[in-house]
Amino acid sequence: QLQLQESGPGLVKPSETLSLTCTVSGGSISSSSYYWGWVRLPPGKGLEWIGSIFYTGTTFYNPSLKSRVTISVDTSKNQFSLKLRSVTAVDTALYYCARIDSGFYYMDVWGTGTTVTVSS
Amino acid sequence: QSALTQPPSVSGSPGQSVTISCTGTSSDVGSYNRVSWYQQPPGTAPKLMIYQVSNRPSGVPDRFSGSKSGNTASLTISGLQAEDEADYYCSSYTTISTVVFGGGTRLTVL
Repeated sequence: QLQLQESGPGLVKPSETLSLTCTVSGGSISSSSYYWGWVRLPPGKGLEWIGSIFYTGTTFYNPSLKSRVTISVDTSKNQFSLKLRSVTAVDTALYYCARIDSGFYYMDVWGTGTTVTVSS
Repeated sequence: QSALTQPPSVSGSPGQSVTISCTGTSSDVGSYNRVSWYQQPPGTAPKLMIYQVSNRPSGVPDRFSGSKSGNTASLTISGLQAEDEADYYCSSYTTISTVVFGGGTRLTVL
């Protein structure tokens, strides 16, 4: 069945760029039925949607993060990626990638998550 | 965009029913039937429990049900079981093509 796996550094210095990749296996990222997205869970807080991308490259971002976020897709590798610039301690969180139904915008398959800590 | 409003915590005894509310605005919950609910036990990834307001994915017990009235969506869990103890989040699509989550509700089974 479809599986998603996040990868990337677990520690990022303040003011630097957080970079994560989500690898999709067991299915194609090039499906018109789905978007692919990033969600994070800061410690002690609730889930926060970061943004989503369609296989064509169309993106949608959380307005509160839009100025610092770029999500891209590599269909040849069946991967999509997140870059978050100028990070601070408030960006410390558990980051998840997820598949999103393009019709009703629900997230039906999730990665296991990866913890990113922002610290010098 | 502001987070959807959920109660921080609810509780119930085994066998009882609990309802978790999720209040948004006419720009999100009130505009679409694109409301979903997720269960997240500690240390695990979120799991889709309800989509399109009231639909259950395959494998989710029919003890879980969803509804919506105006700008408020609700998740009801009947016949509470110990395994239902988790954090629950609602989410909605918005009129500006984004997604917004609720603040989360901690369900305690007494």
